[in-house]
Amino acid sequence: DAMVIQNPRYQVTQFGKPVTLSCSQTLNHNVMYWYQQKSSQAPKLLFHYYDKDFNNEADTPDNFQSRRPNTSFCFLDIRSPGLGDAAMYLCATSSDRGGTEAFFGQGTRLTVV
Amino acid sequence: GENVEQHPSTLSVQEGDSAVIKCTYSDSASNYFPWYKQELGKRPQLIIDIRSNVGEKKDQRIAVTLNKTAKHFSLHITETQPEDSAVYFCAPKTSYDKVIFGPGTSLSVIP
Repeated sequence: DAMVIQNPRYQVTQFGKPVTLSCSQTLNHNVMYWYQQKSSQAPKLLFHYYDKDFNNEADTPDNFQSRRPNTSFCFLDIRSPGLGDAAMYLCATSSDRGGTEAFFGQGTRLTVV
Repeated sequence: GENVEQHPSTLSVQEGDSAVIKCTYSDSASNYFPWYKQELGKRPQLIIDIRSNVGEKKDQRIAVTLNKTAKHFSLHITETQPEDSAVYFCAPKTSYDKVIFGPGTSLSVIP
């Protein structure tokens, strides 16, 4: 059974047109993460939620925002996608009890045209 | 901020040989040390992990060793097989459950 679900799997958006990626989880984990992974690079942490506390990395561009309306859902908003934002976006969840693994969704492949 | 490094960045071994990848981290509060394998176009897959109260853990051909004093942990793969070819990432869990990935090691196993 899928535990971390990302929709859609593939997203094509126009240059400058806002786009939203979604992630849902059935694990009831209170930590959620958004990563950006470009070709031949490591996943780069954009945001993470520690329960209701939102944390964005210092180098996450202002063009990226995130929302978490409840424990199960998390959204990544890209306000004005540029060609450089084309990447795989990975959502992950984790328990906050420390010493526990992160569970990843299958990712959303974003193409900007 | 947190810093995670891996060495080597690429590794090529003959089938049947061993492979070792080392990960160093900067946050002394880190308490969970996993290794992920990622194949092209797929999500990272957890292959082995270790917690801060354990020095070594083994699962068949794969092992992880941890030196918390020196802030590094290593992935050991014995009797490598062509299907072990992939990119491997360490991703220690830091303060407030933050998970930072190392830059990755591309492993090629030559038949």
